[in-house]
Order: sequence, then structure tokens, then C-alpha cells
Amino acid sequence: GAGVSQTPSNKVTEKGKYVELRCDPISGHTALYWYRQSLGQGPEFLIYFQGTGAADDSGLPNDRFFAVRPEGSVSTLKIQRTERGDSAVYLCASSFSPGNSYEQYFGPGTRLTVT
Amino acid sequence: AQSVTQPDIHITVSEGASLELRCNYSYGATPYLFWYVQSPGQGLQLLLKYFSGDTLVQGIKGFEAEFKRSQSSFNLRKPSVHWSDAAEYFCAVGAGNNDMRFGAGTRLTVKP
Repeated sequence: GAGVSQTPSNKVTEKGKYVELRCDPISGHTALYWYRQSLGQGPEFLIYFQGTGAADDSGLPNDRFFAVRPEGSVSTLKIQRTERGDSAVYLCASSFSPGNSYEQYFGPGTRLTVT
Repeated sequence: AQSVTQPDIHITVSEGASLELRCNYSYGATPYLFWYVQSPGQGLQLLLKYFSGDTLVQGIKGFEAEFKRSQSSFNLRKPSVHWSDAAEYFCAVGAGNNDMRFGAGTRLTVKP
């Protein structure tokens, strides 16, 4: 079956602009995660959804970052007033159910470059 | 909170040689431990995981890892490396909920 997909694969934007990054999880997966991977680093947790609700958003760095999952499937990560420090690869993952017992399947990521 | 250290940023091995990638974790209770591989342009793929039971776990692609509580380690091993194993490897630790912390990764280069 289809894996996790993310669009766009690459996004270049100017400092101060607004961007949206999309994630399509594996069908039937109730849990969805967003991570940020900076150059030379491992993925860093941002937010996790169980169904439509954000169950844990403790990893969002500040209020410029926001994510939604209105129908419990596709999710959008929104970044307002982008800064050069936001440049990174944004990874999405989904799992059948929440909790570390369930494997997270990762998408290929969206590479965001803020100029 | 849990954390992970991967001491080796970059490792080079010859094809056919054995491999060991180091991972040390910090967590007060029994952790959930994972190894992922990331190839260029690809998503992270789970190689293996440890939750409980036998401390030697087998994964895909011929990889194995051993959980050593006394050393707070979960090192990844492969007896004979193939050129296709060249990639970035990440160790991760979970606390049983949804919070998974990744190490900074080890980049593996395979010499012909």
C-alpha cells in the first residue's frame, strides 16, 4: 500500500513569508507526528495528533508554528513569519495507534529553505 | 526526560567487514529503543526495536542490536556490510508514550 507522502518535497521561501507543509498519512493510521530535522541532527519532535486533536504540541518551538488535522487524516503544518532558522527538513510520520509500541512510518520529508 | 548519544558522527568500513554503531541512552526506567536508517532522499526506515524480553534483537537487512542495561547501551551490529548499507543511522529512545528522542546520527560510508 501507499506510504506516508509529503508535499511539497522542496520549498524555498523568503524570510517573513507564510508556508504550509502537507502530510498524507497511511490510510487507517490514527496517530500522526511532525518532526523537524536540522542539518547534522536527528529528528526533533514537534507535535503529535491522535485523530483530529493535537494530543501533544510541546515540541513546537514558538507560536509561529501551528498544525491542524481537521478530518483525522491529512495534516498541515503552518509556519508564519518564517525565519532563516526555520530552514530544515520537516518530517511527518504516522502509526496505527499512539504509543511507542506501534511503529512510526516516516514520509520522505519537505526540505524548507528560508532565504 | 530521555536522551540519546551516538558518539560516532561518521564511520567508514570496508565492504564485507563487520560493523558496530554505538548508542547510549539516558532514561530512568526501561526504555523503548529503536534503530532507524535514512538513505538520501528517503524517509526513515525502522531497522529494529526493543521493548522487553530477549536483549538481543534481530532486525531487517541482517542487522541486530543488543540492549545492555548496565551500560545504558543499544549498539547496532552487522557481521558483513554491503555497499547498499551506506546511509545515516539513528538511534532513538521512547518512554512508552509518544515522545521519541533521536540521537544526532552516525553516517556510514562503505569502501569497496
